[in-house]
Amino acid sequence: SAVISQKPSRDICQRGTSLTIQCQVDSQVTMMFWYRQQPGQSLTLIATANQGSEATYESGFVIDKFPISRPNLTFSTLTVSNMSPEDSSIYLCSVVLTSGANTGELFFGEGSRLTVL
Amino acid sequence: QQPVQSPQAVILREGEDAVINCSSSKALYSVHWYRQKHGEAPVFLMILLKGGEQMRHEKISASFNEKKQQSSLYLTASQLSYSGTYFCGTELGLGAGSYQLTFGKGTKLSVIP
Repeated sequence: SAVISQKPSRDICQRGTSLTIQCQVDSQVTMMFWYRQQPGQSLTLIATANQGSEATYESGFVIDKFPISRPNLTFSTLTVSNMSPEDSSIYLCSVVLTSGANTGELFFGEGSRLTVL
Repeated sequence: QQPVQSPQAVILREGEDAVINCSSSKALYSVHWYRQKHGEAPVFLMILLKGGEQMRHEKISASFNEKKQQSSLYLTASQLSYSGTYFCGTELGLGAGSYQLTFGKGTKLSVIP
């Protein structure tokens, strides 16, 4: 299994500012994902961040708005840039195990709840 | 290509059974099922792979009909702990092994005593 820690767990931000969310995993994983979830809604994939390669973004998400770093196999950051109220959401880090008994299983962090005023 | 889940919500009494469906208009490689309790992270239940067998997790089982691109989650003899929102996540056939999932809108399940 994998245990994921996200920071901050919640924050209130001012319009136009940027915030960086950190994701720490207790084991080395190649594949990591960032999702967004509006309260009570579905999860939407923002980007895939595999160590050793540039992050790949889903339609509707761009690197200038959501820059991602993946410096090693246990850590990643997602920055939400130039925030607007529409960016208010829960951002979740997720990893997938690609070997062993848990192959294919996604593990999620507890999420970072952002409120933009 | 968001999969369609049904029903949107269901209320059960303890011990009753329920079925949640997930369908896609695209050819799928796999279907994942997750349960999310309020304020918590989604938790993995099971994966169904193209050509794979029906899976089971305790009293919860699931199937994947490749011809219809549809998966069903079966909750048997429901318990209070089953309450939460159930999401199916689909991986397209072309993206096999990418684990890039598209999630449905979720089915809110409430189990009452």
